[in-house]
Order: sequence, then structure tokens, then C-alpha cells
Amino acid sequence: DAEITQSPRHKITETGRQVTLACHQTWNHNNMFWYRQDLGHGLRLIHYSYGVQDTNKGEVSDGYSVSRSNTEDLPLTLESAASSQTSVYFCASSGSPQGALYEQYFGPGTRLTVT
Amino acid sequence: KQEVTQIPAALSVPEGENLVLNCSFTDSAIYNLQWFRQDPGKGLTSLLLIQSSQREQTSGRLNASLDKSSGRSTLYIAASQPGDSATYLCAVHSPAGTYKYIFGTGTRLKVLA
Repeated sequence: DAEITQSPRHKITETGRQVTLACHQTWNHNNMFWYRQDLGHGLRLIHYSYGVQDTNKGEVSDGYSVSRSNTEDLPLTLESAASSQTSVYFCASSGSPQGALYEQYFGPGTRLTVT
Repeated sequence: KQEVTQIPAALSVPEGENLVLNCSFTDSAIYNLQWFRQDPGKGLTSLLLIQSSQREQTSGRLNASLDKSSGRSTLYIAASQPGDSATYLCAVHSPAGTYKYIFGTGTRLKVLA
């Protein structure tokens, strides 16, 4: 069955370190998204991609970057981790090859703690 | 700017009750609306997606309706069960031509046995 996987599931890092969170989907979806989820803020969009070599900033993109070198993967990099980036990070994908519904499918999440 | 609101933030009901969760959005120019379920410590599971041209969608005990003109969607859960306890999120796909979703902050549902 098609799915989205994220790794690691839990990560503890120190302030100032570079961190990369992996996202891999086997839906063959063109569209991929990274969100963070925090109490009181709900889900907020960090970056998104509509296809290979395409990346776009979301509403909370400062301090984060993504790259899309193939259809399946959209890694999220925290350039210099800050305590404010402690959060749960979700990857999602959407867009059927038939271009019909754009239903979003989510990964299990990565819980990141920056100390 | 599109804003999505879900009220109430939390809800407790006895098992067997029929219940309605509400989702409001400020801009009626949406492409579609999606309802999700999130269990504690887990990711989001898609429940129902309603296209802007549709009025409702049904899956088992769940029925979601959409009224674009009033900026509202409701998720109806029939004969609630303790296993329905979770946080329910709605998200609107807006505007047409992009693929971004705006999420509400969710309703935390507890069904008491």
C-alpha cells in the first residue's frame, strides 16, 4: 500500500545545530508539504513543493529550507536549530495522477526537541 | 486572508449520542474542504473530502456537509462510540489553483462509555 514515512520519529538536538527531517511518499504525488503543529496554533505550513525542483515558502518558513530532487522525497532542514522550533512536524502529500481530488495524506510526524 | 474556526474546542458526550462538529471559514472561494481525525501522538487521518460543487459526503457513520455561501461545514457523527474519541480537524483548500490547505485548530472529542 502507498504511504508516507517520516524519520526520525523523535529527535533531540542542541541549539545551533543543523537538523534534517526526512519525508518519503510512495503515492507518486506531485505535491508535498511540511507543517508544524503547536498547542494554540494548530497546523501551520512551513514549505511546500508542486514537483521536482519546485519549492515554495509557507507562512512560517524562516529558519527552514527544503529541496525536491525527486518525486518521492522532501527533506526539511533546520539551518541552525532554535528552541522556538521545538514542535511536532508533519509531512503531507496530495494530487492524484488523474488530477482529481487533491486529498491530503499525512505522515506519522516527527517530534523535535531543541535544548 | 482565509481563516478557519472550529467551535467548540472540546466536547464530551455519552456513548450513543449523535453529534455535530462545526467548521467555519471566512472566504467562500474554496476549492474543497477536508475533515481529519487525529489520535493523541499520531498523524492525521483523512475522513472525508467535499469538493466545492458538492453539498455533502458520507462514509459509514460520518456525514459531512458544506454550505459555501455561509462559510460553514459540519461533521455529523451518528451513534458515537468511545473509539471516536480524538481531535477532529477541518481544512479548506483555498484558493483554487494552489494546493495549500488552511487548518482549523480542531475540536477535541471525548465519548464516554
